[in-house]
Amino acid sequence: EIVMTQSPATLSVSPGERATLSCRASQSVSSNLAWYQQKPGQSPRLLIYRTSIRATGIPARFSGSGSGTEFTLTISSLQSEDFAVYYCLQYDNWPPFTFGPGTKVDIK
Amino acid sequence: EVQLVESGGNLVQPGGSLRLSCVASGFTFSYYWMSWVRQAPGKGLEWVANIKQDGGENYYVDSVKGRFTISRDNAKSLLYLQMNSLRAEDSAVYYCARGGTDYSRNWLDPWGQGTLVTVSS
Repeated sequence: EIVMTQSPATLSVSPGERATLSCRASQSVSSNLAWYQQKPGQSPRLLIYRTSIRATGIPARFSGSGSGTEFTLTISSLQSEDFAVYYCLQYDNWPPFTFGPGTKVDIK
Repeated sequence: EVQLVESGGNLVQPGGSLRLSCVASGFTFSYYWMSWVRQAPGKGLEWVANIKQDGGENYYVDSVKGRFTISRDNAKSLLYLQMNSLRAEDSAVYYCARGGTDYSRNWLDPWGQGTLVTVSS
């Protein structure tokens, strides 16, 4: 099973600042990595798939990069609606699909 | 609009059974893998099971093997999760999510709103 880790667990950022979230896989997942945003009481929303492709309707301030075992989600200028929990998901080597434990982005 | 709507969550005693349903609309259901993902209160996301387009393949996380069964009815655009021998640690919001059309393009999108399963005496 591929184990996903995310850092930091919590990221405190001021609106307008840049946020950089990291995701690491215990073995290579090629480019088969997705990012999700989840707000309280809501279901996860796909932001990025295939490491760097933004899903439909996702603003350009969200970008993804990386390959193999190291991945990054960058939010270039945080808006109020971006404060949420972010999860990475590997879909390269399954079953099982595995998620990271999440990074909570909160207001500094 | 692509939509997934789950139902069937409830309070059930340990050792009991429950069947979850997910109705899909806005896309050709039979073209896609489908998954169930759960989230315990205040915790992260855990993939539970998935099923191939024709129902001929299905896979499970180890913790539910032998207790849960995923199935689908393509004629009705319905996905099911039969849960038996339920344990307290199965308590969670259960989401259905659409997968991809093949093994390598299987990111999960979209997700339903979830249905709450509580296992408690």
